[in-house]
Amino acid sequence: DVVMTQSPLSLPVTLGQPASISCRSSQSLVYIDGNTYLSWFQQRPGQSPRRLIYRVSQRDSGVPDRFSGSGSGTDFTLKISRVEAEDVGVYYCMQGTHWYTFGQGTKLEIK
Amino acid sequence: EVQLVESGGGLVKPGGSLRVSCAASGFTFSNAWMSWVRQAPGKGLEWVGRIKRKIDGETADYAAPGKGRFTISRDDSKNILYLQMNSLKAEDTAVYYCARDHEGGYDQWGQGTLVTVSS
Repeated sequence: DVVMTQSPLSLPVTLGQPASISCRSSQSLVYIDGNTYLSWFQQRPGQSPRRLIYRVSQRDSGVPDRFSGSGSGTDFTLKISRVEAEDVGVYYCMQGTHWYTFGQGTKLEIK
Repeated sequence: EVQLVESGGGLVKPGGSLRVSCAASGFTFSNAWMSWVRQAPGKGLEWVGRIKRKIDGETADYAAPGKGRFTISRDDSKNILYLQMNSLKAEDTAVYYCARDHEGGYDQWGQGTLVTVSS
């Protein structure tokens, strides 16, 4: 099974400052079709998850451009350029190349 | 507007069975691969299983914890996704979400339905 490891697990950030979350997979996420199926999700308190990014760096409709995704192979990053109060929640990476596996989640809070 | 609405959750005794449903609207349900994802109280997200669309064989695949106990099915005439859960265990206690597959991830999620397994 593919294991997804996120860091940090807790991320206190000052409003207006950048934030970065790392996600590493135990094997390459490049699929036989050449695509890399790595997504990022945000789950605000009491809400269902919402996808922010798919295929490493494609932003979903309606997602603010302060969110960006990057990486390749086994190492991926979600960046928030300037954290806002509404960004508080838990962020998950997920791979869809070898079945589906989620990372443990990173809890973002405001300092 | 795309909507996924789960229902059917509740309290069930260990060893019991339960079927949860997900009513879809706002998109062509028969064209979608659909999944179930669960979240135990205070924990992270866990893939439960997925069913392909009919033209791809309508086959279902399951994560290890539910293999042999869970069955995913779909009724494209009613736009409903099902998850039949048998031989339930305490560790199956979770909010169960249905989600639409898109590009190896999930672009639409329901609000979830809570399943509690307890005596």
